[in-house]
Amino acid sequence: AQSVTQLDSQVPVFEEAPVELRCNYSSSVSVYLFWYVQYPNQGLQLLLKYLSGSTLVKGINGFEAEFNKSQTSFHLRKPSVHISDTAEYFCAVTGRALSGGYQKVTFGTGTKLQVIP
Amino acid sequence: EAQVTQNPRYLITVTGKKLTVTCSQNMNHEYMSWYRQDPGLGLRQIYYSMNVEVTDKGDVPEGYKVSRKEKRNFPLILESPSPNQTSLYFCASSLDGGGAGTDTQYFGPGTRLTVL
Repeated sequence: AQSVTQLDSQVPVFEEAPVELRCNYSSSVSVYLFWYVQYPNQGLQLLLKYLSGSTLVKGINGFEAEFNKSQTSFHLRKPSVHISDTAEYFCAVTGRALSGGYQKVTFGTGTKLQVIP
Repeated sequence: EAQVTQNPRYLITVTGKKLTVTCSQNMNHEYMSWYRQDPGLGLRQIYYSMNVEVTDKGDVPEGYKVSRKEKRNFPLILESPSPNQTSLYFCASSLDGGGAGTDTQYFGPGTRLTVL
């Protein structure tokens, strides 16, 4: 079984300040990790994903995330946020078992980022 | 333009009146899935399909049906809707039929359903 925890349901931050959105996961298999963003009244779109290789992953709109296996985390960061970053952010995990089969994707409960002018 | 479309975008109905929400993708994706989004619960998978004629239950399948008769379409059917199915529904697709292991999912714009 796998799960994703996003402890912060809402994160207010001033414009041009840095932000970190936290994501922790649990899984018994090799994991693939994703961050999706949902702008108001829209569907989700991919920000970035970690499949393998470098643990620091860069995505669109200046976001990056770091995979930390020992801490089972995949926190999302941006050094300077803009008003247009106001959205809800979802962490998701899937994985591959030793037998080769994939596990279904599991989403976290989301973190609403509110950028304050 | 590559996209996932859903119809209708908004729907208000009454308990017990059968409805269908359509989903179509033009990217020749193998994998399609339905999610519902509820406040504080995030996205929960209802059903998914790894390719034509192959569907399987997600985490919250009760009260829903799906069919995948052709690759591009994956309708969600509520035979007898109830108020607890009031939610925001998303259809998604991805290239890989292997269970969306590594592939990006592309989401539709959502359907907001209210069951009175």
